[in-house]
Amino acid sequence: GENVEQHPSTLSVQEGDSAVIKCTYSDSASNYFPWYKQELGKRPQLIIDIRSNVGEKKDQRIAVTLNKTAKHFSLHITETQPEDSAVYFCAALLWGYSTLTFGKGTMLLVSP
Amino acid sequence: NAGVTQTPKFRILKIGQSMTLQCAQDMNHNYMYWYRQDPGMGLKLIYYSVGAGITDKGEVPNGYNVSRSTTEDFPLRLELAAPSQTSVYFCASSQTGGTYNEQFFGPGTRLTVL
Repeated sequence: GENVEQHPSTLSVQEGDSAVIKCTYSDSASNYFPWYKQELGKRPQLIIDIRSNVGEKKDQRIAVTLNKTAKHFSLHITETQPEDSAVYFCAALLWGYSTLTFGKGTMLLVSP
Repeated sequence: NAGVTQTPKFRILKIGQSMTLQCAQDMNHNYMYWYRQDPGMGLKLIYYSVGAGITDKGEVPNGYNVSRSTTEDFPLRLELAAPSQTSVYFCASSQTGGTYNEQFFGPGTRLTVL
């Protein structure tokens, strides 16, 4: 099956800085890579996703990049704000399967 | 639409007790999932279903059972609760496992086994 590694486990930045979270996956047949945000005590919610036929996708202050050759993908948050503080999970979907494999999460802390 | 709903929100069980965690969705999604999230950890898949009458094991199925008699409901049964089952349980649903892959999560059930 698929295995997803996520780094770092915690990330502290100052408001206005950029934040980058990286994930690697093991199976080159994975073709869908979503990112979920989970605020404290809340449910995970999808914030951005990318498919294997695309190298980069942006949505306002967040972007995701995918390097299929190296089998890694990254979440980029620019101009961070305190409300960006949350746990972020990456995931991968192996082609032909019905379930996502999640990374262990990154706790992002944005200090004012 | 209410989306994905879960009941109860909190529950305390004694060792050896049983209970059912309820999950329902009103989005007509075929795919439904149960995850557990331990403190400071990621999401581990317990069971999933690709449609009514079809269920399959995930990464950590031991101690749990599921059924899917309708498209809307996907209850999770805990038999003989153990302290290791103390966790937050999330139910999720998605339209398909193919093109539309966003999983919509319920609010979670926080379970403590003492």
